[in-house]
Amino acid sequence: QSALTQPASVSGSPGQSITISCTGTSSDVGGYNYVSWYQQHPGKAPKLIVYDVTKRPSGISDRFSGSKSGNTASLTISGLQAEDEAEYYCNSYTTTTIVVFGGGTKLTVL
Amino acid sequence: EVQLVESGGGLVQPGGSLRLSCAASGFTFSSYWMHWVRQPPGKGLVWVSHINGDGTTTTYVESVKGRFTISRDNARTTVFLQMNSLRAEDTGLYYCVRGGHYNWNPFDDWGQGTLVTVSS
Repeated sequence: QSALTQPASVSGSPGQSITISCTGTSSDVGGYNYVSWYQQHPGKAPKLIVYDVTKRPSGISDRFSGSKSGNTASLTISGLQAEDEAEYYCNSYTTTTIVVFGGGTKLTVL
Repeated sequence: EVQLVESGGGLVQPGGSLRLSCAASGFTFSSYWMHWVRQPPGKGLVWVSHINGDGTTTTYVESVKGRFTISRDNARTTVFLQMNSLRAEDTGLYYCVRGGHYNWNPFDDWGQGTLVTVSS
């Protein structure tokens, strides 16, 4: 099972919106609505920010939103803030019941 | 409050073994899938293994099959990862992660990790 494909880096200015893509196959992203997104600041453990493609855990800002089209899921962060600068990872359930992560995307707030 | 505290990491020579432990509290441990996820230095997350609530179902990433064994002791609310025949590429920070009631549920809570270094 190959890792999901994410862009290595994205950037945006405060107040802008950015979107991070996560591309898989029909055996993972495209086959299930079980895509999650995690935010990881340097030296910290990852934190769940979106699950089941579009849902947000309690306490997560509505500036974070998820979507999916075909084999590609996306995370959109609106109203960028300096604190959003972090690494972002997607993951998905797969047909073989294992879990695959994307390679990670470094978000830089300019 | 959910707490996951990993231990057991350290420096080990190639071919050696380590047993990681994760002590859990703050939730009904036996009802949840538990996972191990590793992160090589400066690199991304890699899911390693998971185990269901009663310990009867386990799955592994291909690269550790036959070398790693996940298990749990629900009475002690602890999950383990026995790692044998360790290789340099197994080096990384190993996170214990709480899943959900089903294996497709997201990774709700993460420990702080325990560092495994495989080197001669």
